[in-house]
Amino acid sequence: EDKVVQSPLSLVVHEGDTVTLNCSYEVTNFRSLLWYKQEKKAPTFLFMLTSSGIEKKSGRLSSILDKKELFSILNITATQTGDSAVYLCAVLANQAGTALIFGKGTTLSVSS
Amino acid sequence: GAVVSQHPSRVICKSGTSVKIECRSLDFQATTMFWYRQFPKQSLMLMATSNEGSKATYEQGVEKDKFLINHASLTLSTLTVTSAHPEDSSFYICSASGHPSSTGGLNTEAFFGQGTRLTVV
Repeated sequence: EDKVVQSPLSLVVHEGDTVTLNCSYEVTNFRSLLWYKQEKKAPTFLFMLTSSGIEKKSGRLSSILDKKELFSILNITATQTGDSAVYLCAVLANQAGTALIFGKGTTLSVSS
Repeated sequence: GAVVSQHPSRVICKSGTSVKIECRSLDFQATTMFWYRQFPKQSLMLMATSNEGSKATYEQGVEKDKFLINHASLTLSTLTVTSAHPEDSSFYICSASGHPSSTGGLNTEAFFGQGTRLTVV
């Protein structure tokens, strides 16, 4: 059975800290891995990773995929209170038109 | 990027009534649309996969007679919650997948509608 596992499930840090969120997966016919940020509405797309070892960056956020070890990390540096959210990892497998398989998410709380 | 629009964003209805939620792909042809449901503090759960012009495929445990899905065109899918009950109150989200050539090469599985928060009273 395909599955996506995120850790930790929740995390509390102080502003300015750096955090690393983990996502491991076991899926058949992996295509890509996606990270989303979800506040009180629909998820917002952050990154899509398809190739191993290539870091994607957007401001203070970065992510990388290891297809050999079947995991990805999402890094957030110099965290701000606005980073508080649920971060979802999802994997796209099989052929086009297949739904994403989501992890349970990591709830990040950044205190000032 | 590809845009998926979902409407309404919030709806309150009485128990026993039906509610229709629309999901539109605004700038590409969506051959497949997905409907998810999310309970508080939980991740997204796939309800059904909808292919244009054919019947939707429902996930195990999702009642197809209660959650009617119609995907009549390449830009519109609708989810109708029939005879709604308070336990149907949830956050419903759609996403759309299109043929790469119609989306400028973007992988449209990456984009969601804004979500609909349904409250049944």
